[in-house]
Amino acid sequence: KAGVTQTPRYLIKTRGQQVTLSCSPISGHRSVSWYQQTPGQGLQFLFEYFSETQRNKGNFPGRFSGRQFSNSRSEMNVSTLELGDSALYLCASSLERADTQYFGPGTRLTVL
Amino acid sequence: GIQVEQSPPDLILQEGANSTLRCNFSDSVNNLQWFHQNPWGQLINLFYIPSGTKQNGRLSATTVATERYSLLYISSSQTTDSGVYFCAVGRSNYQLIWGAGTKLIIKP
Repeated sequence: KAGVTQTPRYLIKTRGQQVTLSCSPISGHRSVSWYQQTPGQGLQFLFEYFSETQRNKGNFPGRFSGRQFSNSRSEMNVSTLELGDSALYLCASSLERADTQYFGPGTRLTVL
Repeated sequence: GIQVEQSPPDLILQEGANSTLRCNFSDSVNNLQWFHQNPWGQLINLFYIPSGTKQNGRLSATTVATERYSLLYISSSQTTDSGVYFCAVGRSNYQLIWGAGTKLIIKP
């Protein structure tokens, strides 16, 4: 079975732009969670989607949003990028909520 | 909210040594997972262990839920064990709360 895939792997944007990141979960997995990882803040929870509905949201501004499609693929968007948004964005999928999480390789976003 | 503390923050060992990593959490949980992040950033799930003991090769983990801690044991360390080890816990809202990690360096 293919693992969790994330695209793109690397991204360079400038302040004020917006970005869309994509995550394809393991086949059959229905839950997708997104995390931001920075050297200073560690792993921070962004949001969780299950059955196309956002079930949990972390403490991030409204510039961060996401969605999940009927095939469980998920996208997250960041609008009006700031320098502090530079980070590794990780997606994890699980069969059901609270199950073992499997992570993708991440998207490394650099904001200049 | 739940607080998760991992210790030690850093650990440097010679190849072949054994190690114990600890995760303390401040409230009852029904979900606890251990992960290893390799130097290239890939996170690998090691154990799903809200209670009890599990073993997988050279790695084993024990969670004592009543005393709110979990231990990860690594025996006969190899250089490929280097990286950061994270503990993450969750409760009824399904959101995982992450510790700051233990950075492990195994020297050849």
